[in-house]
This record gives sequence, C-alpha cells and structure tokens, in this order.
Amino acid sequence: DAKTTQPNSMESNEEEPVHLPCNHSTISGTDYIHWYRQLPSQGPEYVIHGLTSNVNNRMASLAIAEDRKSSTLILHRATLRDAAVYYCILRDVVDDMRFGAGTRLTVKP
Amino acid sequence: NAGVTQTPKFQVLKTGQSMTLQCAQDMNHEYMSWYRQDPGMGLRLIHYSVGAGITDQGEVPNGYNVSRSTTEDFPLRLLSAAPSQTSVYFCASASGWGQPQHFGDGTRLSIL
Repeated sequence: DAKTTQPNSMESNEEEPVHLPCNHSTISGTDYIHWYRQLPSQGPEYVIHGLTSNVNNRMASLAIAEDRKSSTLILHRATLRDAAVYYCILRDVVDDMRFGAGTRLTVKP
Repeated sequence: NAGVTQTPKFQVLKTGQSMTLQCAQDMNHEYMSWYRQDPGMGLRLIHYSVGAGITDQGEVPNGYNVSRSTTEDFPLRLLSAAPSQTSVYFCASASGWGQPQHFGDGTRLSIL
C-alpha cells in the first residue's frame, strides 16, 4: 500500500487560511488522494478527493503537486468548527481506505 | 436524512460475552464497511461488503463476523468478547467501491 506522511499537529488562527500538507512519494498512477476529517467524538467526514488536477468544493480546496508526490488541503478561512483530525489517504480503485494517524488541527480564536 | 445509524452508542460487556453492533443506512448504498478506532490511532478496516450477500475481510477481521442480507443493514458480531476489542466501532457506507464514504457516529465498546 502506498503510504502518506502528515505532520502530527498544526495550529491556526480563526478566519485565517490553513494549509495541511501530505507527502505520498510512492503514489501510483491509479491512486486517488482522499481527505477526511474527524471532529471530536464523531465519525470521519469526507472532505475532498482528487487524482491529478486541483479540486475545489464548498468545504476546501485540494492542491496536488505536478509530480503527485505531495498534496495540500486548503481551508480558506478556518473556523473553530474546523478543529479536527485531518486524514490524507491514498486509495486505488481496488483498495479500501487505510487511515494513518492524521494531523490534529487546533484553531485558536 | 438519517444517513448511517449505529446502535447502541455505548456498551459494556464482560469477557466471553457475545453481541451484535447494528448498522443501518437509508441511502441505498451498495458498499458498507466496519472499522475500529483505538485511542489516538486511525481507523482500521474489519470487514466490508460490496452488496447484499457479499462480504469480505479487511485488515483486522479476527474475532468478528458479518453478514449482509439486505442492502440497508450490515451488523457486526463479536463472537466471544475480549478486552483487546475495547474500541470505538464505526460503520460506513458508500454508493460504490471507491466513492466517498459516509460514517456513523460510532459505538463505544468496553470489555471488562
């Protein structure tokens, strides 16, 4: 399985942008990059996913490096409700998801 | 919209007891799965199903059984509970393999 590397924790100020990095140097050509987040005492929540091109949705943006060996989840204006553990997951069409430890995001008022 | 519903939310068992964790989804999703999450760790896949009548093992299947008799329901059975199975259990569903998954709120299980 291709692996991902994320920082254990990050801090952000409320209403500022947040860039959450993910390294995946062994990514294969058929691996999709998925991001989920888990708020305290809740199940994971889908955020965004992409293959090669940058992606935007109402929650976030996903910026994928040209060589696909890294990606960045961008929260454009962090709110206190965005405090969560963020998981970057590589997923082939024939694989199920393997969660790592993720990045714990703290948002300061 | 109910989404993915898990029951019970909390449960305490004694070693050796058996029980069934319930999971139901109302989105007509073909794919369903069970994960466990131990403190401070990510989720690990126990079993999954790509449709009614079809189940398969995930990363940590030992000690658990599943069945999928309907599209809506995917119960997880603990055959003989052990303290090592103390964890939070999450059920998820998706419209198909590889699609974004929708998770329930979890069942917090303690085994004494």
